[in-house]
Amino acid sequence: DTAVSQTPKYLVTQMGNDKSIKCEQNLGHDTMYWYKQDSKKFLKIMFSYNNKELIINETVPNRFSPKSPDKAHLNLHINSLELGDSAVYFCASSVGSGGPTDTQYFGPGTRLTVL
Amino acid sequence: AQTVTQSQPEMSVQEAETVTLSCTYDTSESDYYLFWYKQPPSRQMILVIRQEAYKQQNATENRFSVNFQKAAKSFSLKISDSQLGDAAMYFCAYRSAEASGTYKYIFGTGTRLKVLA
Repeated sequence: DTAVSQTPKYLVTQMGNDKSIKCEQNLGHDTMYWYKQDSKKFLKIMFSYNNKELIINETVPNRFSPKSPDKAHLNLHINSLELGDSAVYFCASSVGSGGPTDTQYFGPGTRLTVL
Repeated sequence: AQTVTQSQPEMSVQEAETVTLSCTYDTSESDYYLFWYKQPPSRQMILVIRQEAYKQQNATENRFSVNFQKAAKSFSLKISDSQLGDAAMYFCAYRSAEASGTYKYIFGTGTRLKVLA
């Protein structure tokens, strides 16, 4: 069983379109995250939700909107896609307690290409 | 703000040899966690090893071990008996242990490790 899954794994779309990436975790974790990895492999956090509540919102354009219907799911919706949005997007989850065993587990990533 | 620096963009090692990847970080916090993640060509981020800052003993996981120097804010990863499957990007990461409620990770820029047969 996949612990953290993302769909789709690849997404190719035109500039100006709206797209969504879905993430699900079956680890029973309370906290989920979205990261963006750019072409230089730099990995930066975008959002984090704890029990469906937004707890981290980095300086991300408001074209990006996360949605957490329940604590096992955190979807990322992107409006009016731009060329600079092309990247690999990773979902992750963790227990969220902040303790020694609170490790993040990552999904396989979604490679988004904006043409 | 905390920062994580990996000064080696790329490293090479012969199969069966040992290699050390460097990581330094900057923080004013006294309690935190440090991680090494591996990202093979498959893109999957895989946890390699974790170190709690309050522990003086260096963490070890099979062929992977760390050299944690808290005063120097250094956290290097040593891979012994390197295997072809170790070829990947390696990311060092920092997480605060303070009760801020966010616990976000801060990643370094990565080191690409090549293993030569």
